Amino acid sequence: DIQMTQSPSSLSASVGDRVTITCRASQDISNSLAWFQQRPGKAPKSLIYTASTLHSGVPSRFSGSGSGTVFTLTINSLQPEDFATFYCQQYTSFPYTFGQGTTLDI
Amino acid sequence: QVYLVESGGGVVQPGGSLRLSCVASGFTFSNYPMQWIRQAPGKGLEWVALVSFSGSDRHYTDSVKGRFTISRDNSKNTLFLELNSLTPEDTGVYFCARGGFPFCAYWGPGTLVAVSS
Repeated sequence: DIQMTQSPSSLSASVGDRVTITCRASQDISNSLAWFQQRPGKAPKSLIYTASTLHSGVPSRFSGSGSGTVFTLTINSLQPEDFATFYCQQYTSFPYTFGQGTTLDI
Repeated sequence: QVYLVESGGGVVQPGGSLRLSCVASGFTFSNYPMQWIRQAPGKGLEWVALVSFSGSDRHYTDSVKGRFTISRDNSKNTLFLELNSLTPEDTGVYFCARGGFPFCAYWGPGTLVAVSS
């Protein structure tokens, strides 16, 4: 199975800050990487697919990059609604696997 | 507007069974693979299973192989997950999500499964 490792596990930031979350795959996954945001008690929301493509309606302050084994999610100018937990997921081979999550708080 | 709504969760004793359903609307259900993802209380997301658009291909995470069965009824726009031989480690919220392109664009709100004696 492909292991996905996110760093950091938690992150403190302020409104207006720029933050970056890293996701590393245990083997090459090309660009088959998605990012999700989850607020407490809610279903995950899709942010990015194919490593860098924003889903419709996702604000442009979110961006994704990377290919192969190292990927990043960057959030520019943090807004209050951005504080949540973020997950990466690879979907190049079964079983699809998630990173352990990164909690972003104030 | 795409909607996915899960149902069928509840409290069940260890060794018991449940059948989860996910009703889809707002898109051509038979054109997309569908999947189940779960989340134990206070833990991260865990991918569980995927079924192809036709239902002919199925994939599972190792911990549920032989115990869970994913299936679909394209005539009723409904995805299923049959859970057998349940253990407390299966406790959590079960989400259905659309596969295909764009990947995992839509999720349901989830249904809670609690395995406890």
